[in-house]
Amino acid sequence: DAEITQSPRHKITETGRQVTLACHQTWNHNNMFWYRQDLGHGLRLIHYSYGVHDTNKGEVSDGYSVSRSNTEDLPLTLESAASSQTSVYFCASSEYGDAKNIQYFGAGTRLSVL
Amino acid sequence: RKEVEQDPGPFNVPEGATVAFNCTYSNSASQSFFWYRQDCRKEPKLLMSVYSSGNEDGRFTAQLNRASQYISLLIRDSKLSDSATYLCVVNIAYQKVTFGTGTKLQVIP
Repeated sequence: DAEITQSPRHKITETGRQVTLACHQTWNHNNMFWYRQDLGHGLRLIHYSYGVHDTNKGEVSDGYSVSRSNTEDLPLTLESAASSQTSVYFCASSEYGDAKNIQYFGAGTRLSVL
Repeated sequence: RKEVEQDPGPFNVPEGATVAFNCTYSNSASQSFFWYRQDCRKEPKLLMSVYSSGNEDGRFTAQLNRASQYISLLIRDSKLSDSATYLCVVNIAYQKVTFGTGTKLQVIP
């Protein structure tokens, strides 16, 4: 069965360190998204990609970067982790051309920045 | 005004009760609408799409009111397993969706 997997599931890091969260999907979807979820804010879009070598900023992109070198993967990098980036991170994918844009989510990565 | 607004709840209802949630959206050009379900500390999962004519899936009924710019979710005969947070999702533009902050439902034995 097609799926979308995130790793690690839990991560503790220190302020100032670079951290990369992995996202891998086997749906063969062109669209991939990264969200963070915090109490009171719901899901907020960090970055997204519509295909290989395409990346776009979402509403909360400062301090984050992504790259898309193949269809399956969209790693999220925190250049210099800050305590404000402690959150739960979800990766999602959807099919390009799907007018409804139904998104399928990974299980999430819980990141703590100390 | 937020693009998508939901009552955070919690809605505490007894088993077997009927419960309804509303969600309002601000952009009249919004194209498609969904309800997602999210269990505690887990990923959101699509519950159902919402069509203009209304649609039903077992005990769940979704309605769209474009004139008043809201969607609703009705759950009949609530089960303990329905306890979760329900996210309203609106597709505002091509490939761009916005999530509400969710409504928490707790079904009580």
